[in-house]
Parts: sequence; structure tokens; C-alpha cells
Amino acid sequence: SSELTQDPAVSVALGQTVRITCQGDSLRSYYASWYQQKPGQAPVLVIYGKNNRPSGIPDRFSGSTSGNTASLTITGAQAEDEADYYCNSRDSSTNHVLFGGGTKLTVL
Amino acid sequence: QVQLQQWGAGLLKPSETLSLTCAVYGGSFSDHYWTWIRQPPGKGLEWIGEINHIGSTTYNPSLKSRVSISVDTSKNQFSLKLRSMTAADTAVYFCARREYNFWSGYYAIYFEYWGQGILVTVSS
Repeated sequence: SSELTQDPAVSVALGQTVRITCQGDSLRSYYASWYQQKPGQAPVLVIYGKNNRPSGIPDRFSGSTSGNTASLTITGAQAEDEADYYCNSRDSSTNHVLFGGGTKLTVL
Repeated sequence: QVQLQQWGAGLLKPSETLSLTCAVYGGSFSDHYWTWIRQPPGKGLEWIGEINHIGSTTYNPSLKSRVSISVDTSKNQFSLKLRSMTAADTAVYFCARREYNFWSGYYAIYFEYWGQGILVTVSS
């Protein structure tokens, strides 16, 4: 299946740790990349590759992968982390780019 | 610093053709794939397609019959045309630079640089 599946919504208490997951067969060949999107803004890359953060992304964001599941972990969630999060990879057989449906993170 | 700046008509009538252009400033134009992504209001991201500097393209199969992406290397620009627009094509359209790497037995693609996005509304 050439899809990426994410939970539609996740919540976390301020300062606690939250994991957002992404499942799909493509993740057996491709690392997921992760994007944060706030209302009215373009997505911002937060994790790429095995566990790389672009310049300016806080180190409370980390990524991991196991089998067909990739995870984005926010350790010590802050109010400003409330946003939609999308995972992304590619179907290795068709080279088509894939996006997950997105997870809305609420920080309580 | 890499910047992508996009422009084009934001209001179309049904059956018209969408035309958007994205200009790239900074970085190497020939070392990357250049991508269009859209996002309907309140919904998720959808990949439209991509092109490289020599014009090699790949399209989302759900849009392939209506989409065309072209490149102008003399201006470091790439463009999107989407024909026969309907209300279902109403979305924010983004351009982005696609990166590609291989680490530890896994491939990786990601989009670090994005255009500002343009809301395209299809309405009679």
C-alpha cells in the first residue's frame, strides 16, 4: 500500500512527552520526514533522515523508525508546539511522494 | 539562503487552467527536484508532482491527466499548469525544493524550502 497513516489528533500536557506516529510500507525503505504547520503558514521541516533537525529546530524534537512505523517525539512539549504535524516519504516502486493525513497536536 | 517565491492567479472559474510560477533564489538549481504541493482548506498536504533541471517529471497519478510542470533554467523558475479546474481543486498551492539522500541503508526525501503558498479558489 502506498499510503502513510497518522492518528488524526493527539494531546499532551504542557511539559510532558508526546509521540506522533506514521505507518506505511514505504517506511521500510525511506526515512520519514516530519513537518510542523501552524494555521496560515507553510509547513516547516522539523525532522529528516534518521534523526536530523534543520537549523533552528529545538532539540526537544526527535525522530525514530522501526519496521513500517516512524515516530516523531516531542520531549517537554511547549505551548508553541501546538500545530498540525505531517509525515512524508516516497513509494520506492513508483517514486511518488507520499504525505500522511496529518496529526493535530493539542498542548493542554 | 534559499528562497522560493511563487505567483499566479488566485481566482479561477470552473474549467479554466491554473497557472503558477515559482522562482528560486540561492542554492543550486540543477542539484534538486522542484515540487508542487497543495492543501485544500482544512485538509492535508497533497503532492502534485515534480521536475528537475532537465525537465524530467513525475506526477501524482490522480492528477496526471490534467497537470503539467515545466522548468526555465535560464530564470531558475518552474511552473505548474492544472487544466479543467473545479471547486475540488480549491487549495493553497505551495512550491518546494525536494532533497534526496541515502543513509544507513535507507533513502530519505524531504522539503526544507517552501514558497509562501497561494490560495487558489475556483468559483463561478
